[in-house]
Amino acid sequence: KAGVTQTPRYLIKTRGQQVTLSCSPISGHRSVSWYQQTPGQGLQFLFEYFSETQRNKGNFPGRFSGRQFSNSRSEMNVSTLELGDSALYLCASSFVGDLLREQFFGPGTRLTVL
Amino acid sequence: AQSVTQPDIHITVSEGASLELRCNYSYGATPYLFWYVQSPGQGLQLLLKYFSGDTLVQGIKGFEAEFKRSQSSFNLRKPSVHWSDAAEYFCAVALYNQGGKLIFGQGTELSVKP
Repeated sequence: KAGVTQTPRYLIKTRGQQVTLSCSPISGHRSVSWYQQTPGQGLQFLFEYFSETQRNKGNFPGRFSGRQFSNSRSEMNVSTLELGDSALYLCASSFVGDLLREQFFGPGTRLTVL
Repeated sequence: AQSVTQPDIHITVSEGASLELRCNYSYGATPYLFWYVQSPGQGLQLLLKYFSGDTLVQGIKGFEAEFKRSQSSFNLRKPSVHWSDAAEYFCAVALYNQGGKLIFGQGTELSVKP
């Protein structure tokens, strides 16, 4: 069974631009969560989608948004990029989003904002 | 607010030596508890989890963790470290009613001396 895939793996943008990252969950998984990983702040929860609905949201500004499609694939968008948005963005999928079942993480997308 | 503390940013152990990584949480109730490992350029892999029951939990790769309610701790242990265990280790907690949202500690980087 294929794992969680994230595209692209690396991305370089300039301040003020916007970016869209994609996450394809494991087949059959309906929950996708997104996390931001930085050296200073560590791993922080962005949001979770389940059956195309945002079920949970972290403490990030409205520039960070996401969506989930009917095939469970998810995208996150960051508008008006700032230098501080440079990070590794990880997505994780699970069968129903219940933590009794394991979340599987993708390799991440490394975003660099210049 | 709930939080997770990993007091040790970096630990170095000799190959074959025992290992203990510390994790303390601040929470009103007993949360779900997890340990993840991240190798360079990789996503997170679940080592083990605790929900209830036996306070000593066995995981993959020979790791175990012990939940101590009185100390609000969930320390990770391994009796004999292998060079391939060098990685970053994250403790995480979650509320049972918050879907897939994980709150992570800052991580402990493990180096293994030959």
